[in-house]
Amino acid sequence: AAGVIQSPRHLIKEKRETATLKCYPIPRHDTVYWYQQGPGQDPQFLISFYEKMQSDKGSIPDRFSAQQFSDYHSELNMSSLELGDSALYFCASSLLGQERGGSETQYFGPGTRLLVL
Amino acid sequence: DAKTTQPPSMDCAEGRAANLPCNHSTISGNEYVYWYRQIHSQGPQYIIHGLKNNETNEMASLIITEDRKSSTLILPHATLRDTAVYYCIVRVALYNTDKLIFGTGTRLQVFP
Repeated sequence: AAGVIQSPRHLIKEKRETATLKCYPIPRHDTVYWYQQGPGQDPQFLISFYEKMQSDKGSIPDRFSAQQFSDYHSELNMSSLELGDSALYFCASSLLGQERGGSETQYFGPGTRLLVL
Repeated sequence: DAKTTQPPSMDCAEGRAANLPCNHSTISGNEYVYWYRQIHSQGPQYIIHGLKNNETNEMASLIITEDRKSSTLILPHATLRDTAVYYCIVRVALYNTDKLIFGTGTRLQVFP
């Protein structure tokens, strides 16, 4: 079965540079979530989109922005990168109302490992 | 904050059943119990979820107590590849796009 695709898988940037992470959800899924996992930490929610509209926002720095496009893929844009932005960034997708009882299971991609030097 | 409490670590011998407990004493009537696992730096992998009935799939079984204040994830025959951090998460899941709130999870070590 098709899974969530993230690109790139690895990214190295210098401080103050910008980075763009891409997420391609499972086909037919309409909701995308972004999570950040710092070294030795648990995943933390950043932001989500449903039908191309922002649906929820977590502890996402103002330097970060994201959007979901008409084909449902999403991009996370990160500017003025800081050393502390080094982390794994996961994207997950789900389909509203798809499953039994209407439960929406989130399926995760393999992640993008960002290293800021 | 996470609404669940899990032991920080557990060991299990290969081939034996791994029983991972989770307390969620403040769970609401419309919240499901989800289990995910993360194998070293990979994306969290969905395992199973349930509302109040016990559930079973090809990966695991989920036993939810009658009062729904706790649950147990059972891996019937643990293998070395089941070594991972296991997260128990409660979440409203009916026509909802809520985020997952990860706690610290249980680090399961399966040994030969």
